[in-house]
Amino acid sequence: AQKVTQAQTEISVVEKEDVTLDCVYETRDTTYYLFWYKQPPSGELVFLIRRNSFDEQNEISGRYSWNFQKSTSSFNFTITASQVVDSAVYFCALSEARSSNTGKLIFGQGTTLQVKP
Amino acid sequence: GAVVSQHPSWVICKSGTSVKIECRSLDFQATTMFWYRQFPKQSLMLMATSNEGSKATYEQGVEKDKFLINHASLTLSTLTVTSAHPEDSSFYICSARRSGGGELFFGEGSRLTVL
Repeated sequence: AQKVTQAQTEISVVEKEDVTLDCVYETRDTTYYLFWYKQPPSGELVFLIRRNSFDEQNEISGRYSWNFQKSTSSFNFTITASQVVDSAVYFCALSEARSSNTGKLIFGQGTTLQVKP
Repeated sequence: GAVVSQHPSWVICKSGTSVKIECRSLDFQATTMFWYRQFPKQSLMLMATSNEGSKATYEQGVEKDKFLINHASLTLSTLTVTSAHPEDSSFYICSARRSGGGELFFGEGSRLTVL
C-alpha cells in the first residue's frame, strides 16, 4: 500500500526562523516520485519540487531545501529564514512508477505553517 | 500563467440541483486528467481518473452516478455533481499532464457550497 504521512499538523514560527516540514512515505515500488506542493489561502496548488527515487541528492532552491533519505523513507522540506508569505498548507505527495505516466498522486495530510511577523 | 484552468472557481447551489465544473488544459493536450476532492483543512483525495474518449476510472468509495465525469476532448474534462447535497460541499481540484508525459499541472480549484 502507498501512504504519505505528514505528522506535523500545524507549525507556528516567528519570521526569520528556520522550519522543517517532515514527510514519511510508504511504497513497494522501487521507482517512484515524490513531490511538495504549497497551498496558500487562495486554494491553488503551487508546485515546489519533484524528485525521483533514484536521485538522493539534496536540493536547494533559494530559501527552500529538501532532504531525501531512502533509508528512512523520508523527504523533508526546510524553509530557511521564513517569511510571512510562506504561511500556507504544505503537502507532500507520492506517485508510483506504474502511475507516474498518468499523474495519480497520493497526498499526505498536509502541514499548516504559520509564520508570524 | 495558469496552464490548467477550472471554471467556475466557486459556486453556491441549492440542495437537489446539479453542478458542472470544467477543467481545461490551456496550451497542451491531455489524454488523462484527474479529479481530486479536498474537505476543509484536509488532504486531497483522488476521486477519479478522466480518460479522453472513454469512461472515467473511479476510486473506491466514489459514486460514479453521483459524480459524472466526461472527457470529450483532449483539452476539456467536466465533473458534474448530480443532485447535490450539503455533504458534497467541498473544494474540487483537477490536474492534467501533457500527453506523452511531462509535468503535472493543477487547476485553481472550484469551491462548491450546497445550501
